Amino acid sequence: EDQVTQSPEALRLQEGESSSLNCSYTVSGLRGLFWYRQDPGKGPEFLFTLYSAGEEKEKERLKATLTKKESFLHITAPKPEDSATYLCAVQPSGGFKTIFGAGTRLFVKA
Amino acid sequence: EAQVTQNPRYLITVTGKKLTVTCSQNMNHEYMSWYRQDPGLGLRQIYYSMNVEVTDKGDVPEGYKVSRKEKRNFPLILESPSPNQTSLYFCASSSTGATNEKLFFGSGTQLSVL
Repeated sequence: EDQVTQSPEALRLQEGESSSLNCSYTVSGLRGLFWYRQDPGKGPEFLFTLYSAGEEKEKERLKATLTKKESFLHITAPKPEDSATYLCAVQPSGGFKTIFGAGTRLFVKA
Repeated sequence: EAQVTQNPRYLITVTGKKLTVTCSQNMNHEYMSWYRQDPGLGLRQIYYSMNVEVTDKGDVPEGYKVSRKEKRNFPLILESPSPNQTSLYFCASSSTGATNEKLFFGSGTQLSVL
């Protein structure tokens, strides 16, 4: 069964304290892995798509990496405005479903 | 402004009373989808549509119906809502549903079934 697991469920950081969020996945074949950001009361907002192991994407303080079984979202020197829930999703090959993980809630304190 | 619009934003109803949540996108996207979001479970796909008159079940379709008569609209219908359908619902769209297509999400509909 296709599955996406994110850890930790919640992460509390001090401003400037770098860390990583983990997304492990089990799929029969991977067409793409996505990272989204979700603010309270809003819909998810796209951050990155990764297609193959070894690929990396960066945007401001965020960097996403992909291996054959997991992806990491690295946050460098976070700021309070980075506080949000970060969602990982995979699109298995052979179909058009997108499977989401439960998310990691990130809190960054000034 | 490119957007996905859902209505209503909040809805409280009673068991068995039919309801429709509307979804409209102004980006000429072919692919549209409905998700429900529950604490600890994340987003689960209910139905999706690859184009007009083409729909398919997601992972949790029981108790829901959809239709895609026009490209821009993809309403979600609950013919006989039950309390276990209390959830936060999101509509999403993308250009084609292909691998490199990011999803654009609406702002969500919080549904409570009493």
